[in-house]
Amino acid sequence: GQQVMQIPQYQHVQEGEDFTTYCNSSTTLSNIQWYKQRPGGHPVFLIQLVKSGEVKKQKRLTFQFGEAKKNSSLHITATQTTDVGTYFCAGNNNDMRFGAGTRLTVKP
Amino acid sequence: DAGVIQSPRHEVTEMGQEVTLRCKPISGHNSLFWYRQTMMRGLELLIYFNNNVPIDDSGMPEDRFSAKMPNASFSTLKIQPSEPRDSAVYFCASSLRLYNEQFFGPGTRLTVL
Repeated sequence: GQQVMQIPQYQHVQEGEDFTTYCNSSTTLSNIQWYKQRPGGHPVFLIQLVKSGEVKKQKRLTFQFGEAKKNSSLHITATQTTDVGTYFCAGNNNDMRFGAGTRLTVKP
Repeated sequence: DAGVIQSPRHEVTEMGQEVTLRCKPISGHNSLFWYRQTMMRGLELLIYFNNNVPIDDSGMPEDRFSAKMPNASFSTLKIQPSEPRDSAVYFCASSLRLYNEQFFGPGTRLTVL
């Protein structure tokens, strides 16, 4: 069945540095979603990408969907302490599967 | 809108006891999902429903786990008998349509002693 791999598992950065997490699927996806989970909280939807090669921005966050619709990335520019949390991708191919998540810590 | 409501928020029980977790999805949402989250295994999809019908329960660990959705506004996840390895945070999520964005509840933290 479909598998969604996400790397890295952990990322520790200094405040102001950039951060990127990558998501790869074993199958072509209909769409991909990104979620953020703050420590002690629940996953919260960030965005959905549908089109091949799509790029969307939310302030300092940039989301990309690969041309083959099998990979995606989330890039945060100039991280802040409020960016701390675990970022999950969730790939959909008539079967929504979450990646393992990337836990981001930010040192002030 | 109150969002997805889960109860209880915390549950501590002894091995062998029955545990029932409850979820009220957002009104009007057609799909409901149950997840389990642990440090070791991450976020696991257990089962999901569409229009109150179970679509995929392949994530349910074993026969001790069962889930029901008797109507559009209520779902339960039952563990009988519970075991210490079931200790985790259990999330319920709902979406307007299957594969739309999911809205997660606050979770139930289950501890089985």
